Amino acid sequence: AQSVTQPDIHITVSEGASLELRCNYSYGATPYLFWYVQSPGQGLQLLLKYFSGDTLVQGIKGFEAEFKRSQSSFNLRKPSVHWSDAAEYFCAVGPYNTDKLIFGTGTRLQVFP
Amino acid sequence: EPEVTQTPSHQVTQMGQEVILRCVPISNHLYFYWYRQILGQKVEFLVSFYNNEISEKSEIFDDQFSVERPDGSNFTLKIRSTKLEDSAMYFCASRGSYEQYFGPGTRLTVT
Repeated sequence: AQSVTQPDIHITVSEGASLELRCNYSYGATPYLFWYVQSPGQGLQLLLKYFSGDTLVQGIKGFEAEFKRSQSSFNLRKPSVHWSDAAEYFCAVGPYNTDKLIFGTGTRLQVFP
Repeated sequence: EPEVTQTPSHQVTQMGQEVILRCVPISNHLYFYWYRQILGQKVEFLVSFYNNEISEKSEIFDDQFSVERPDGSNFTLKIRSTKLEDSAMYFCASRGSYEQYFGPGTRLTVT
């Protein structure tokens, strides 16, 4: 079955600390992978995507993610977190035409000053 | 920067009533979607729409749901007879090439 697992429901970090949010997927075909961020009262904003090629992809706001096929993972990282990064983060997987996206349950990030 | 907009931001309705949620996708996009997120749960795909017809729908998207692109700009989701379990945040999205861009959502509360 196709699914996305985000094992961490809630993560708390101090401002300036590094961050890694985990995402594992189960998908029968070649996956297209995405990370979205949702701030309170806002829609889902695309942070970055992986389709093919270089397995380390850069996104907006200083985020990056690494696709590891052998581990079926697409973890999101940021070297130094800012207070404005506090939000909910969703990993998603889709088919080649990126139509029906399958989302994980999300990870809520809290940032302490 | 172009964005997807949705109205209303919050809709309260009584069980059994019809609701129409409205979306204005990004203007040059051709693929349109509705997703929903029940409070505390994951975002779930409802339906995709292309070339004036549904291209895929989920099990959730039963006969109570319908979508329409009534003109060149709007994309609507209609729920004919709302149930308590339809209470959720409904997101519209549109796609040009590969990425789906999401609107801010409509929170639907069914009482």
